[in-house]
Amino acid sequence: GENVEQHPSTLSVQEGDSAVIKCTYSDSASNYFPWYKQELGKRPQLIIDIRSNVGEKKDQRIAVTLNKTAKHFSLHITETQPEDSAVYFCAASFPLSGGYNKLIFGAGTRLAVHP
Amino acid sequence: SAVISQKPSRDICQRGTSLTIQCQVDSQVTMMFWYRQQPGQSLTLIATANQGSEATYESGFVIDKFPISRPNLTFSTLTVSNMSPEDSSIYLCSVGYRPGIDEQYFGPGTRLTVT
Repeated sequence: GENVEQHPSTLSVQEGDSAVIKCTYSDSASNYFPWYKQELGKRPQLIIDIRSNVGEKKDQRIAVTLNKTAKHFSLHITETQPEDSAVYFCAASFPLSGGYNKLIFGAGTRLAVHP
Repeated sequence: SAVISQKPSRDICQRGTSLTIQCQVDSQVTMMFWYRQQPGQSLTLIATANQGSEATYESGFVIDKFPISRPNLTFSTLTVSNMSPEDSSIYLCSVGYRPGIDEQYFGPGTRLTVT
């Protein structure tokens, strides 16, 4: 079936530490893996994504890695800051007709960064 | 990315009634997606709406409960029918621009409370 598992459900770190969130997906046809950040009362915001032809992508303090063989991808946040506190969702694409993909989301990780 | 708006932003409804949520995009898009986010939970895909064809519903969602219209390339509606308190959620739309462009950006959401 179409499934994305995400761990941990909650993560608490000290400011300046690193945070890692991990996801696994079920379908080898998945080829697009975005990460969203959702602050309280706001819509999810796309923060970084990776495609299946790339193993790693970095954007300032955030990076995403992908292991296609293991069907596993991770979000890494370095030098965490209090404003990184939010709920983070991973997602994986699953094919639709006509070349479109739908996204299935993981359960989310609530990250708390303590000053 | 396109600018996506939703109406209403929030509503409080009585059980047994129906509510229609509108999603408007400022550019033409072929595919639109409707999600539900129950309190404290992840995003669950309800259906995909391709202009000119019937919406495709995910497992656990049926057309009688969540009828969708897609009259043109910039607009869609989702109706939540015969509501119960369990329908209290945030409902979000997102868009798919064209095949091969997998990024999805969300509308601001509609917060529905059913009493």
